[in-house]
Amino acid sequence: EDQVTQSPEALRLQEGESSSLNCSYTVSGLRGLFWYRQDPGKGPEFLFTLYSAGEEKEKERLKATLTKKESFLHITAPKPEDSATYLCAVPLSNTGKLIFGQGTTLQVKP
Amino acid sequence: GAVVSQHPSRVICKSGTSVKIECRSLDFQATTMFWYRQFPKQSLMLMATSNEGSKATYEQGVEKDKFLINHASLTLSTLTVTSAHPEDSSFYICSASGGFPNQPQHFGDGTRLSIL
Repeated sequence: EDQVTQSPEALRLQEGESSSLNCSYTVSGLRGLFWYRQDPGKGPEFLFTLYSAGEEKEKERLKATLTKKESFLHITAPKPEDSATYLCAVPLSNTGKLIFGQGTTLQVKP
Repeated sequence: GAVVSQHPSRVICKSGTSVKIECRSLDFQATTMFWYRQFPKQSLMLMATSNEGSKATYEQGVEKDKFLINHASLTLSTLTVTSAHPEDSSFYICSASGGFPNQPQHFGDGTRLSIL
């Protein structure tokens, strides 16, 4: 069964304290993995697409990496404005539908 | 680029009212649009997939007569919640894709629907 699991569910960091979020997936034939950021009361904002194992993408304090079984979202020296829920998702076969993980809610305290 | 606009952002109305939500892709052609529902502290739940010019495909358990979807152009899809009741209150989010299955979806900012 295709499945996406994120951990931890919640993460509290002090400003400047680097950490990583995990997204484990089980899909038949990976067609990409997407990371999104969602702020309360808003729709998800696209961050990264990763297509193959070993690929890395960076944007400001965020770096996403991909292996054959999981993806990590590394947050370096986070700031309070990085507080949000981070979602990962993979496409289901050729339908275009996305399977979402449950998300990791990140809180960065000043 | 890849901007999706969703309106209205918030609706409060009486039970029995029908409510229409619009989803527009502003700077790209969206052959496929998706409608999601999100409950508090939960991830997105796909309701239906909408392809331009054809009937929407609904997920199991979603009433197609309750949630009417129209995708009349490559930039506009609408979701109409018919005869809404308090249990339909939720956060509805649309997304749009350029049509390739392995391209990311881009999301609107959601509509908070409250039925009194």
